[in-house]
Amino acid sequence: NAGVTQTPKFQVLKTGQSMTLQCAQDMNHEYMSWYRQDPGMGLRLIHYSVGAGITDQGEVPNGYNVSRSTTEDFPLRLLSAAPSQTSVYFCASSIRDSLPRELFFGEGSRLTVL
Amino acid sequence: AQSVAQPEDQVNVAEGNPLTVKCTYSVSGNPYLFWYVQYPNRGLQFLLKYITGDNLVKGSYGFEAEFNKSQTSFHLKKPSALVSDSALYFCAVREGSGTYKYIFGTGTRLKVLA
Repeated sequence: NAGVTQTPKFQVLKTGQSMTLQCAQDMNHEYMSWYRQDPGMGLRLIHYSVGAGITDQGEVPNGYNVSRSTTEDFPLRLLSAAPSQTSVYFCASSIRDSLPRELFFGEGSRLTVL
Repeated sequence: AQSVAQPEDQVNVAEGNPLTVKCTYSVSGNPYLFWYVQYPNRGLQFLLKYITGDNLVKGSYGFEAEFNKSQTSFHLKKPSALVSDSALYFCAVREGSGTYKYIFGTGTRLKVLA
């Protein structure tokens, strides 16, 4: 059972380059989300989705785009990377239910922007 | 807007002693509260949650948390700490119905000394 899979695990970019962080889950979870983790700032919500075709902004959405064409996948796109986007990124998913469910996290993607 | 505060960056405790990791929250409606643990270079793992009902919630690995509505707190506790409990702990909140935003605190590093 793979759970939440993130790729790549590590990436180095130059300022201005674009890239996509991939997130896939095999648990048929409707809810998926992206967080960034920075020292002293905890986890901050970037974007989230409650189902295919539906996305919404979190706390820090600027500089990031998302789409949700399938239940399984929720890619995070950086169109023009900036050094401020150096961080560890986590994808998380859960069942969407009448009551809140716990999030299942991927192992993270460490991004460095030079 | 909902928010979570973890007032201590680090908590040190001797092995065998009780531990407490503090969390306070702010929401406009009913809170749904969670604790997660993160080991080095790993994603977050769910420990326990409060939805409704008993104020004392029991979770994984012997952890428990006490919900206090008047103090807007949800402190994580364990009667007897283990060295293996050393990790980064995050409190999270999701406001009651109508939102799917899970907001995390800044994290508290727990160090259990042998």
